[in-house]
Amino acid sequence: NAGVTQTPKFRVLKTGQSMTLLCAQDMNHEYMYWYRQDPGMGLRLIHYSVGEGTTAKGEVPDGYNVSRLKKQNFLLGLESAAPSQTSVYFCASSYSVNQPQHFGDGTRLSIL
Amino acid sequence: GENVEQHPSTLSVQEGDSAVIKCTYSDSASNYFPWYKQELGKRPQLIIDIRSNVGEKKDQRIAVTLNKTAKHFSLHITETQPEDSAVYFCAASIFLGGGGQGFSFIFGKGTRLLVKP
Repeated sequence: NAGVTQTPKFRVLKTGQSMTLLCAQDMNHEYMYWYRQDPGMGLRLIHYSVGEGTTAKGEVPDGYNVSRLKKQNFLLGLESAAPSQTSVYFCASSYSVNQPQHFGDGTRLSIL
Repeated sequence: GENVEQHPSTLSVQEGDSAVIKCTYSDSASNYFPWYKQELGKRPQLIIDIRSNVGEKKDQRIAVTLNKTAKHFSLHITETQPEDSAVYFCAASIFLGGGGQGFSFIFGKGTRLLVKP
């Protein structure tokens, strides 16, 4: 039981490049989330999903897109990376409402 | 928008002392309050949580208290040890719309706890 797995762990991009971050969970959780963590800012919700085939915007969605084609996977895409998107990205999942979120190990993304 | 305020931002205590971190929230509909511990370079990990129908919950050296009227909740760590050094985040549940199905948390900005041996 691996829990929540994120790939890649580190990545450096140039401004304007695109990439996809992958999150996979093996706990059969319905809810999945993408957060970004910046120094002094805590965790901010980018996008979330309440089930396979559904996605919705969180607090800071601009510049990101997501897809949840399979229940166990939640993809975060950056179409045209900007330096302001340099951050640590965490994926999380939860079984249902008012249940704790389980986090992945994070992806450290630097955009030059 | 809704928010969660967390204080203090940094806290330094001597080993064996107690540490208290306080959070206030704005959404009166929030009814679930988890606390996460994050060590340097690691993922946030749940350490304790409390629901709105409970005023206090304890787990060994860790306790959380909730005052729904005042909209604040606190984390108490007793007999602190150097391995308690980390960043602690409080969070409050929020419903994001979508017919009430959208659910997540608003996180505080974190408290860096340093326990000096």
